[in-house]
Amino acid sequence: GAVVSQHPSRVICKSGTSVKIECRSLDFQATTMFWYRQFPKQSLMLMATSNEGSKATYEQGVEKDKFLINHASLTLSTLTVTSAHPEDSSFYICSAAAPRASEAFFGQGTRLTVV
Amino acid sequence: TQLLEQSPQFLSIQEGENLTVYCNSSSVFSSLQWYRQEPGEGPVLLVTVVTGGEVKKLKRLTFQFGDARKDSSLHITAAQPGDTGLYLCAGDSSGTYKYIFGTGTRLKVLA
Repeated sequence: GAVVSQHPSRVICKSGTSVKIECRSLDFQATTMFWYRQFPKQSLMLMATSNEGSKATYEQGVEKDKFLINHASLTLSTLTVTSAHPEDSSFYICSAAAPRASEAFFGQGTRLTVV
Repeated sequence: TQLLEQSPQFLSIQEGENLTVYCNSSSVFSSLQWYRQEPGEGPVLLVTVVTGGEVKKLKRLTFQFGDARKDSSLHITAAQPGDTGLYLCAGDSSGTYKYIFGTGTRLKVLA
């Protein structure tokens, strides 16, 4: 299947700082990527849809000014958690669908810990 | 808000037993995916079902999509310790790969 890669896999940052997470489609172009968040012992919750060349679409309850999404190329979307707080600590996962694919493929996830 | 309820939430069984996990919704989906997730990793696709009533088999795993495309089930035959993990169903209502995930079923198979 298609490969989606996230970087970094783990990051620890201080409260109040910002951290950027990258999501790359390695062998295909993706006009749309999706960002999910997963808290411990819970399922994945969709945060936003990342659209190449245009603004991201955020799900209800997700602060767009806190979770900045940039999709500047067909193979890269970035999620920046601004002014991070301990409650932002979570597992962040992206997905993308290759052209003519029947399903989306997921990255390996990024574990964010805010101290 | 679309919801996908999975049952059971937790399941601990002995090696060799059979089990069924259910994924239910009041919404219709154009496709439904089943994933397995290991701790600290992204979900790995097991199967995609798109046609109402469809049944797919993957070795000891059997997946069924409800006739109305609102629900699905995953049946594992002769479970093995390697089947241990978090099983997630995910529905796509608009064909845009924008998934709503189920609440998850945490399976533990004891040797």
